Amino acid sequence: TQLLEQSPQFLSIQEGENLTVYCNSSSVFSSLQWYRQEPGEGPVLLVTVVTGGEVKKLKRLTFQFGDARKDSSLHITAAQPGDTGLYLCAGARSGGSNYKLTFGKGTLLTVNP
Amino acid sequence: GAGVSQSPSNKVTEKGKDVELRCDPISGHTALYWYRQRLGQGLEFLIYFQGNSAPDKSGLPSDRFSAERTGESVSTLTIQRTQQEDSAVYLCASSRGLARNGETQYFGPGTRLLVL
Repeated sequence: TQLLEQSPQFLSIQEGENLTVYCNSSSVFSSLQWYRQEPGEGPVLLVTVVTGGEVKKLKRLTFQFGDARKDSSLHITAAQPGDTGLYLCAGARSGGSNYKLTFGKGTLLTVNP
Repeated sequence: GAGVSQSPSNKVTEKGKDVELRCDPISGHTALYWYRQRLGQGLEFLIYFQGNSAPDKSGLPSDRFSAERTGESVSTLTIQRTQQEDSAVYLCASSRGLARNGETQYFGPGTRLLVL
């Protein structure tokens, strides 16, 4: 089983602070996705990273895929209350079963005004 | 257009009863997935349908779980003789075509199942 470990599990910060969430594995993934899930809703895809060392930016969010494609990070600059939610990373295997995403347990982020 | 819809949104049942959960994917999406999300856990893959191909049922946790899909539309997930450990949020997702790296899965809001 390919496991994805996310840290921290919980994070509570003040508006305007920066934060980084980590997603680590001992296994190699062909791609890695980040989702945000709000209460009572399904996860919404934020980004997909495919190439080792890749960095993608989405407004105040910066995503990085590790060189070895085993880990990823999500950095949020100047967090806002609207960023509150459960952040999930999910990895896809290579080959014919790449639709089977392996999800981490998530990081529950609370941004206080 | 409309997103993925699921019904019911909440279901409370007694241990031993059967339940049926429904998923309406986005129109035109040929791929459909079911996941289970237990409290404090990540999403667990349950089953995958792609067009007319045989479904990948490798994630179903026991033979009490089954799922069907009518063509490229509605899917139902059935849990027979429910147990308390089946309590979870059951999420359905659909995607446009054959899943590849970067293919976006669009999730429904989930069905919250509580087995008493």
